[in-house]
Formats: sequence, structure tokens, C-alpha cells
Amino acid sequence: DSGVTQTPKHLITATGQRVTLRCSPRSGDLSVYWYQQSLDQGLQFLIQYYNGEERAKGNILERFSAQQFPDLHSELNLSSLELGDSALYFCASSVPLAGGPADTQYFGPGTRLTVL
Amino acid sequence: AQSVTQLGSHVSVSEGALVLLRCNYSSSVPPYLFWYVQYPNQGLQLLLKYTSAATLVKGINGFEAEFKKSETSFHLTKPSAHMSDAAEYFCAVSVDSAAGNKLTFGGGTRVLVKP
Repeated sequence: DSGVTQTPKHLITATGQRVTLRCSPRSGDLSVYWYQQSLDQGLQFLIQYYNGEERAKGNILERFSAQQFPDLHSELNLSSLELGDSALYFCASSVPLAGGPADTQYFGPGTRLTVL
Repeated sequence: AQSVTQLGSHVSVSEGALVLLRCNYSSSVPPYLFWYVQYPNQGLQLLLKYTSAATLVKGINGFEAEFKKSETSFHLTKPSAHMSDAAEYFCAVSVDSAAGNKLTFGGGTRVLVKP
């Protein structure tokens, strides 16, 4: 158990819908990262937040957005869902240092999204 | 931009045999390198990481990896495979950047352990 929790574990929805994935980082971790794992794209970085502020953006679609709240939990919002958005979405958090590249990222169990 | 290549999407080894998973990276600046393992229906767990302190890095579950700058490689090894090593393994790179410290992953290598 990494200490990172994600809800829900599974999500099944229809095309065009909107969903929200939730992540609670390890106690004290200030950085939260979102990754998408799909069969065709592999593991791709989406976005990073550090202490409530967006720190870095990766291959995140405009239909997707995220935020980190004052209690440090984060939400990933996916809208106008398409079949190709079906994937495993991971949240990770890193130790409460400066948020540097050597920090270990601890991954949650993921949310499996299926778009029908 | 940095990238990671893992040679072999699938590797089959016999129980007790050497496990060797290959990882090559590309980076214009000194990299930080990681190996993660993913068991079925679970998240990623860190096996080990290279942060420039020592080129030979020992990790959990008997795994180790050697950073070779001249070969831009960070191969993962375990002397004797166990059935519980069956999983998918990911090599990843991170660099010091003002644009955050995302992990860039390789395509993964799925390990099958035969009894």
C-alpha cells in the first residue's frame, strides 16, 4: 500500500459524458501527478500540481482539467468523453521536498475508466 | 526532451534463471532513472532509482541496476527469478527542469516466469 488513494476504482460511462476522478496523496506530500495508461499510448504524464499550483503539463487534452485543493487532494475532470479515453488513470504523489526530479513518486491503485 | 526505450515487450524466464530487462534512455542533461514494477490490477511500485550517488543501484526484492553513461543504459537484473517476479516492469527517466519533474516511461516489459 503506497498511501495514495484513488476513487472510484472502476468507472463505466457513455460517450459525451463527464466524470471526476479523485486522488488523495500520501500524508504530507505536496506534489500530485496524473498519468494515463492505455494499450496504444502506454504510460503518459498528464499534469502535475505542487501545493495547489499547476507545475507542469504533459499530453493532457483540452477536454481534461485538474485541480489540487487546499487539503492537497486532487481531482481530474474528463469531459466530452470519447471511446479512446478508456484507460487506467493513475495518481502519484512525491515526498515533501522541493518537488525535484529525484523524488520518488508513489502511485495509487488507479481508476479504470471504460467509455462505452 | 528525454525518452526511454525498453527492448523486448515480453520476456520469458525459467524460475531460478537470471532476469535481465534492458532500458536505454535519451537525455540532453543528467538523468534520474527509475525502475517500477506493476503487478496485475495494481499501481506502480518503485523497485530502485539512480540519482547519481552510485552507478550500481540495489533495490527491493533482489533487483539491481547499473547506470552506464557511455551506453546510455540502465538495465535491470535479478540473479534468480522467482514466480512472484511475474509482472510488468517500467523504466522511467526524470530530469531537472523548470517545467516540473514528470516521469517519462518506456513501453514496459512483461515478465513471465516458467516453473
